[in-house]
Amino acid sequence: GENVEQHPSTLSVQEGDSAVIKCTYSDSASNYFPWYKQELGKRPQLIIDIRSNVGEKKDQRIAVTLNKTAKHFSLHITETQPEDSAVYFCAAPIYLQGAQKLVFGQGTRLTINP
Amino acid sequence: NAGVTQTPKFRVLKTGQSMTLLCAQDMNHEYMYWYRQDPGMGLRLIHYSVGEGTTAKGEVPDGYNVSRLKKQNFLLGLESAAPSQTSVYFCASSPLSGRAGNEQFFGPGTRLTVL
Repeated sequence: GENVEQHPSTLSVQEGDSAVIKCTYSDSASNYFPWYKQELGKRPQLIIDIRSNVGEKKDQRIAVTLNKTAKHFSLHITETQPEDSAVYFCAAPIYLQGAQKLVFGQGTRLTINP
Repeated sequence: NAGVTQTPKFRVLKTGQSMTLLCAQDMNHEYMYWYRQDPGMGLRLIHYSVGEGTTAKGEVPDGYNVSRLKKQNFLLGLESAAPSQTSVYFCASSPLSGRAGNEQFFGPGTRLTVL
């Protein structure tokens, strides 16, 4: 089955600096890698995802990179702002009987210091 | 559209009591999931469903049962609650996606405390 490791568990950066969160996965057949953001007391929400036919995807200040050979993918946030403070989760899929299940990383608590 | 909704939002139970958490989605999604979230452990899958009338076990199914009698609803039951089931429970749904992968839409969560 899939095993997803996420690092670091906590990350503190100065406003305006960049933040990088990394995840590794074990199943070489995985081909879809989403990132979810969860603000305090709220539900997780998808912020960006990448499929294995591309190596990088950008959406304004957020980017995700994928290295299928090394089986790791990373979330990059540039020009961080206070509203970026949240817990971020990566995930990778496993497929059983045609159904997609996501295995989530343990989460990274990102704090943006003013 | 309301998206994914959950009831109740909060609940306190005594050990041994039973309860049912209700999840409803109005997006006509095929897949529905129940997760629990504990500090430092991310989101762990309890049970999931790939369509009306079908359910399957996830990563941590013990002590829980589920039913999906209607496509839009997914119920999570605790027959005899234990303190170890104190957690925040999230329901999610996603469209049928095969191997392409697809976004999961989460409900607002239910905070359950078992004394």
